[in-house]
Amino acid sequence: SQKIEQNSEALNIQEGKTATLTCNYTNYSPAYLQWYRQDPGRGPVFLLLIRENEKEKRKERLKVTFDTTLKQSLFHITASQPADSATYLCALDPGTGGYNKLIFGAGTRLAVHP
Amino acid sequence: DARVTQTPRHKVTEMGQEVTMRCQPILGHNTVFWYRQTMMQGLELLAYFRNRAPLDDSGMPKDRFSAEMPDATLATLKIQPSEPRDSAVYFCASGWGTGNSHEQYFGPGTRLTVT
Repeated sequence: SQKIEQNSEALNIQEGKTATLTCNYTNYSPAYLQWYRQDPGRGPVFLLLIRENEKEKRKERLKVTFDTTLKQSLFHITASQPADSATYLCALDPGTGGYNKLIFGAGTRLAVHP
Repeated sequence: DARVTQTPRHKVTEMGQEVTMRCQPILGHNTVFWYRQTMMQGLELLAYFRNRAPLDDSGMPKDRFSAEMPDATLATLKIQPSEPRDSAVYFCASGWGTGNSHEQYFGPGTRLTVT
């Protein structure tokens, strides 16, 4: 069956450290994968998109990697801050091409402690 | 700045009542999505439209849910009759749907409680 898996347990880290979140998928061949941030009581906010032919993408303190062989994406926040505390969702295009619907993972809650 | 708006933000209703949720996508976006989010199921796609035409509503219970886009500035999601299991947060999102622009912009959501 098709699945997207993110760590269901909350990730607790100390301010200033690097947070690494994992997204694994099975039985999909996505053309791209996206990461979103969601704060309590709000809608998800787009952060980064990485395509199947890209190994790594960066934006300020954020870095995303995409390994289509391992079927995995890693999301890194360097020099983390308490303001980075939120739930982070990965989402992928099911791989049928064009502009398609996204399938979302359940999300990982990140808590950055001062 | 441009954002997706949704009304109402909160809705409490009794089982069996009709519920209508509205969404105004970002001006110029040609693709509109409806999602439902619960603790158990996470974020699930219910339906989506491109250029106001329905493309996929396979995630929606057809017997009670309906989604429409009467014009480019308004998308609606109706539940009739509502049931307690419909309690969730319903999000609308919009995007350009062309070229390299695949990101989606989400509204604040409608929190629905059916008693």
